[in-house]
Amino acid sequence: AQSVTQLDSHVSVSEGTPVLLRCNYSSSYSPSLFWYVQHPNKGLQLLLKYTSAATLVKGINGFEAEFKKSETSFHLTKPSAHMSDAAEYFCVVSDKKTSYDKVIFGPGTSLSVIP
Amino acid sequence: NAGVMQNPRHLVRRRGQEARLRCSPMKGHSHVYWYRQLPEEGLKFMVYLQKENIIDESGMPKERFSAEFPKEGPSILRIQQVVRGDSAAYFCASSKARAGGGGDTEAFFGQGTRLTVV
Repeated sequence: AQSVTQLDSHVSVSEGTPVLLRCNYSSSYSPSLFWYVQHPNKGLQLLLKYTSAATLVKGINGFEAEFKKSETSFHLTKPSAHMSDAAEYFCVVSDKKTSYDKVIFGPGTSLSVIP
Repeated sequence: NAGVMQNPRHLVRRRGQEARLRCSPMKGHSHVYWYRQLPEEGLKFMVYLQKENIIDESGMPKERFSAEFPKEGPSILRIQQVVRGDSAAYFCASSKARAGGGGDTEAFFGQGTRLTVV
């Protein structure tokens, strides 16, 4: 069975400081992992994805995430937060080896950026 | 190439009425997923459809909810006899192949339909 845990429901950072959004997953097989962002009243946008290539994945808007199998983690980071980063972030896991794929979303982390 | 189109963006229904939410996948995509986002909660999977087939509806409430993806036209999520608890944002996603695996499996999301039941 698959599951996703986002350890923080809310993260607040000052503009220009690093961002860390934590995600841990559980998957029986080799997972595909994604981070999506949702700005207020907007649809979901894919930030980055891991599909068994390089473990350090670079995404849009300066975000990156590192797949750590030993820790079953896929934390999202950004060196310097910008006001426009304030949004809801979802960590997502999908299991490639199930008979059909079902995308499992974490509960989300709300990121606030303080000027 | 237009993205995933959902309409209406906002829908207000009185208790007991029917709500119909439409989703037009991206061109060339034959896999559609519906998700519900309740206030203060994350996205929850509802149903996965391919053209004319429901593949997985394990996330759908057993009563009042139904979904279809006909050979022609958009996918429809239908909620009969709506109640206040149905108020939520409903998101649709589409992919060229089954989402989550390798290849053209990236799922693209629409902007959602916000249903308010009064």
